Amino acid sequence: GAGVSQSPRYKVAKRGQDVALRCDPISGHVSLFWYQQALGQGPEFLTYFQNEAQLDKSGLPSDRFFAERPEGSVSTLKIQRTQQEDSAVYLCASSLGAGVTYEQYFGPGTRLTVT
Amino acid sequence: SQQGEEDPQALSIQEGENATMNCSYKTSINNLQWYRQNSGRGLVHLILIRSNEREKHSGRLRVTLDTSKKSSSLLITASRAADTASYFCATVLLTGNTPLVFGKGTRLSVIA
Repeated sequence: GAGVSQSPRYKVAKRGQDVALRCDPISGHVSLFWYQQALGQGPEFLTYFQNEAQLDKSGLPSDRFFAERPEGSVSTLKIQRTQQEDSAVYLCASSLGAGVTYEQYFGPGTRLTVT
Repeated sequence: SQQGEEDPQALSIQEGENATMNCSYKTSINNLQWYRQNSGRGLVHLILIRSNEREKHSGRLRVTLDTSKKSSSLLITASRAADTASYFCATVLLTGNTPLVFGKGTRLSVIA
């Protein structure tokens, strides 16, 4: 079956531009996570949704980052006024249920380069 | 912040050899997971070991967990060139709908 998909796969933005990154989770998956992965590092948590509710946004690095999942399926991560330090791969993951024992399935990521 | 730390940071071996990677973490966990990431591709889940388990096998993979030392190891036996990738351990904390907390990874190169 279809896995988690993300678009675009690559995005180049000029400093100060706004960007929107899309995640299509596996159909029926309740939980959705966004992670940020800097070059040579492991992914770091940004935010978590259970259905349409954003239950944890403690990892968002600043108020320029905003995420939504209005109908409990597709999610969008928006970054306003991009800065060079925002350059990273943004990974989306979904899991079937809510709770710590469910496996997370990752998308291929969106590589954002801010020039 | 990252809870896990993998050791070594990079590892280069010949095809057919075994590869061992270690992971240490800081706080109590519900489970620990290992992921593989190939260049330009997403993270692939390899294996999950729960806090009450000590060892788990999956094909050529063997994972151990020592909760008293807060450490885990991943052994890949009879390595292949296709195993070349970065390997990350990720911990799930005890309670709530917590995200995975990843280490910085071990970059494994298997030379044919």
